[in-house]
Amino acid sequence: DAMVIQNPRYQVTQFGKPVTLSCSQTLNHNVMYWYQQKSSQAPKLLFHYYDKDFNNEADTPDNFQSRRPNTSFCFLDIRSPGLGDAAMYLCATSRPPMETQYFGPGTRLLVL
Amino acid sequence: SQQGEEDPQALSIQEGENATMNCSYKTSINNLQWYRQNSGRGLVHLILIRSNEREKHSGRLRVTLDTSKKSSSLLITASRAADTASYFCATSTHHYGNNRLAFGKGNQVVVIP
Repeated sequence: DAMVIQNPRYQVTQFGKPVTLSCSQTLNHNVMYWYQQKSSQAPKLLFHYYDKDFNNEADTPDNFQSRRPNTSFCFLDIRSPGLGDAAMYLCATSRPPMETQYFGPGTRLLVL
Repeated sequence: SQQGEEDPQALSIQEGENATMNCSYKTSINNLQWYRQNSGRGLVHLILIRSNEREKHSGRLRVTLDTSKKSSSLLITASRAADTASYFCATSTHHYGNNRLAFGKGNQVVVIP
């Protein structure tokens, strides 16, 4: 089945230690999104790729970076995680002009 | 960025009852979408209503949109225990040809068997 896959499902890192979360998709969608969702809060868009074009949200901290080496994969890099970065990170895809987004199961990040 | 705001935020109902959730937003939109999130999981798209539509149905779901009041409601009829989840509305604006969503806070719905 076509889907959005996120690995790992749970990630534990140490304060200040770089961490990378990965997302892959078999939907062949050209747009990929990264959201941060803290406990009991709404998902917040960090950035998205439209094909190879990177679009950063104005309030996304510089600590967060992303890479998209090809259509199928997208990575979220947190250069120096702080305690406040502990959250669920959700990857989503879409294929314009369709307006629905398809979400992966998320990676829950714990920062010690 | 605009953001939907749901009201109420927590709802507990008996199986078979209807559940209604509301969402308000602040600026013009292209469409409004509702998503469901089971505990600790990703979001699943439920239904989309365009800015020129007033009501839409999908199975047991009914969504309304009032652009003059900048509000939407989601009704789940004949609820089931499997409907227990968080429900988010998301407003859509187009950004350079692709779709950006701004999510509201979400409603926690518990359906008691």
